[in-house]
Amino acid sequence: DAGITQSPRHKVTETGTPVTLRCHQTENHRYMYWYRQDPGHGLRLIHYSYGVKDTDKGEVSDGYSVSRSKTEDFLLTLESATSSQTSVYFCAISQRVLGETQYFGPGTRLLVL
Amino acid sequence: GQQVMQIPQYQHVQEGEDFTTYCNSSTTLSNIQWYKQRPGGHPVFLIQLVKSGEVKKQKRLTFQFGEAKKNSSLHITATQTTDVGTYFCAGRGSGGSNYKLTFGKGTLLTVNP
Repeated sequence: DAGITQSPRHKVTETGTPVTLRCHQTENHRYMYWYRQDPGHGLRLIHYSYGVKDTDKGEVSDGYSVSRSKTEDFLLTLESATSSQTSVYFCAISQRVLGETQYFGPGTRLLVL
Repeated sequence: GQQVMQIPQYQHVQEGEDFTTYCNSSTTLSNIQWYKQRPGGHPVFLIQLVKSGEVKKQKRLTFQFGEAKKNSSLHITATQTTDVGTYFCAGRGSGGSNYKLTFGKGTLLTVNP
């Protein structure tokens, strides 16, 4: 498996609180992605990054922000968590170009009460 | 935006039976990728198809890419209990930000021993 870690692996939070999820890679890959996975919806792209400080929106970006201050770290922030953001969040990386083979992290299970 | 439809959503087979999942894109793809996710795990890359009409095999798995580069299939011959999981196709679009991957909703395969 590629060197990707996500933290925390599990989190329970309350509606309205801010939450930050971290993705860390040791592969020095250029591209990093955040997906959410929900039953019946598959994997949906939230945001992606194509370099330090370079990010762009995916198909379900509302309510989420991201930051990438170092090549190895990509943070996903829910500014004010809502119950609809209860999901499993996966980070992924790809080496050189957008949309090439992606390697996924182990995921973070987030429950918003 | 680009849409990738995948059928069936679920498939239950007896061990030894064959299995096929189909993927259809609303637009022409630059490539298509297949991923497998074991229960409780993360998606793992299986294969990438790039050329029109391409066929690739991995042991009991056969992957096809349609002539128009808009559809694909994964066929498993003589399923085993180790094949259990969700199989996702992911289409890579063409041109700028369209190079992002769009995942199908996946096909959950269960195998009765």
